[in-house]
Amino acid sequence: DTGVSQDPRHKITKRGQNVTFRCDPISEHNRLYWYRQTLGQGPEFLTYFQNEAQLEKSRLLSDRFSAERPKGSFSTLEIQRTEQGDSAMYLCASSPRQSMNTEAFFGQGTRLTVV
Amino acid sequence: QKEVEQDPGPLSVPEGAIVSLNCTYSNSAFQYFMWYRQYSRKGPELLMYTYSSGNKEDGRFTAQVDKSSKYISLFIRDSQPSDSATYLCALDQTGANNLFFGTGTRLTVIP
Repeated sequence: DTGVSQDPRHKITKRGQNVTFRCDPISEHNRLYWYRQTLGQGPEFLTYFQNEAQLEKSRLLSDRFSAERPKGSFSTLEIQRTEQGDSAMYLCASSPRQSMNTEAFFGQGTRLTVV
Repeated sequence: QKEVEQDPGPLSVPEGAIVSLNCTYSNSAFQYFMWYRQYSRKGPELLMYTYSSGNKEDGRFTAQVDKSSKYISLFIRDSQPSDSATYLCALDQTGANNLFFGTGTRLTVIP
């Protein structure tokens, strides 16, 4: 499978716990995005990487959230001290060099449930 | 006011019907217009994208953009039960690092 891969697909955690999600983009894509999608809403932008550099963060990305992309390959999104409001689908997308966001390919997402 | 407005539906049509899905937007800087299809519990899948005003056709799907009215549409001809999904419009502007999505319209095609 050469698409965007996300792991785990589903995570249930207790409020206050930390969680970490992983995204493996399409191998030749240097642009990587994280989005969050709640029920009945469209995806909302969280953050963007070009190679290993995190170039933009949304105001939605509170200080409990941190994202990394070491060596410009896979990326991780960590949420510390989870809250019930963090329950959502976390989507990763990647796009090739020189392209606009129009060629963003999404993974299947990680569905987080905070209980 | 949201950047992109989309009627969430739900929309139910009989098989074979023509479906019209629409979004409006407020920011005239948007230049690229996309439609994604999202099946339940899956990630969005890019269907089509267009640049500037006009029509673009791909099989049973036609995307239409009217920049003067800030209105975009997706038409599905001869709709099939397999078209049942949520359809998301997404907009992009030069220099931005993210897409702006509508809320999505949930479509059900009844056999």
